[in-house]
Amino acid sequence: ETGVTQSPTHLIKTRGQQVTLRCSSQSGHNTVSWYQQALGQGPQFIFQYYREEENGRGNFPPRFSGLQFPNYSSELNVNALELDDSALYLCASSLKSGTSTDTQYFGPGTRLTVL
Amino acid sequence: AQKVTQAQTEISVVEKEDVTLDCVYETRDTTYYLFWYKQPPSGELVFLIRRNSFDEQNEISGRYSWNFQKSTSSFNFTITASQVVDSAVYFCALAAFMDTGRRALTFGSGTRLQVQP
Repeated sequence: ETGVTQSPTHLIKTRGQQVTLRCSSQSGHNTVSWYQQALGQGPQFIFQYYREEENGRGNFPPRFSGLQFPNYSSELNVNALELDDSALYLCASSLKSGTSTDTQYFGPGTRLTVL
Repeated sequence: AQKVTQAQTEISVVEKEDVTLDCVYETRDTTYYLFWYKQPPSGELVFLIRRNSFDEQNEISGRYSWNFQKSTSSFNFTITASQVVDSAVYFCALAAFMDTGRRALTFGSGTRLQVQP
């Protein structure tokens, strides 16, 4: 196990609602990245947080937003849910050190179903 | 633009067979990193290996081996003497620069490996 935890495990929402997903990073890691994985596809990068600031974003609309807290845990918020938001949401933590590229370690994911 | 192609959607083998999963990537970065992850039915992505673009040495870890060929932009993964527990979806990923100077992972679409007893 990586030590990255996510909650909840499963979630069912209806179109138009808002959802918050949570992630606790591995001890000692200071960077959290979020990915969306639709069924049968590879994960797609949503955004990354480092030292409580967004540090890069993929091709996702502003209704996808996030936070990182001083203890490096993170939240992913999605407003105005759409049916296409149904997916597995994966959180990954890593340690930024200088200019090195960090290996990302993933949590078990939150499966979101939008009805 | 960064791109990772895993042309094999699904592979089925019988236990003890060797199997190779293909990965081809595209990037303009001169320094980049390649990864393989395993995703069992539980859903969690399990890190297997990381390779940087300066290191073309092949690597072996137990029954797993990786062949990195920069000339063909390929990073293939071979499982020797496959076992039922190897059944999973395997993803190849490329660490590509974002505007912030940090790298995010670009994943391929994955190869589902089924190992039959």
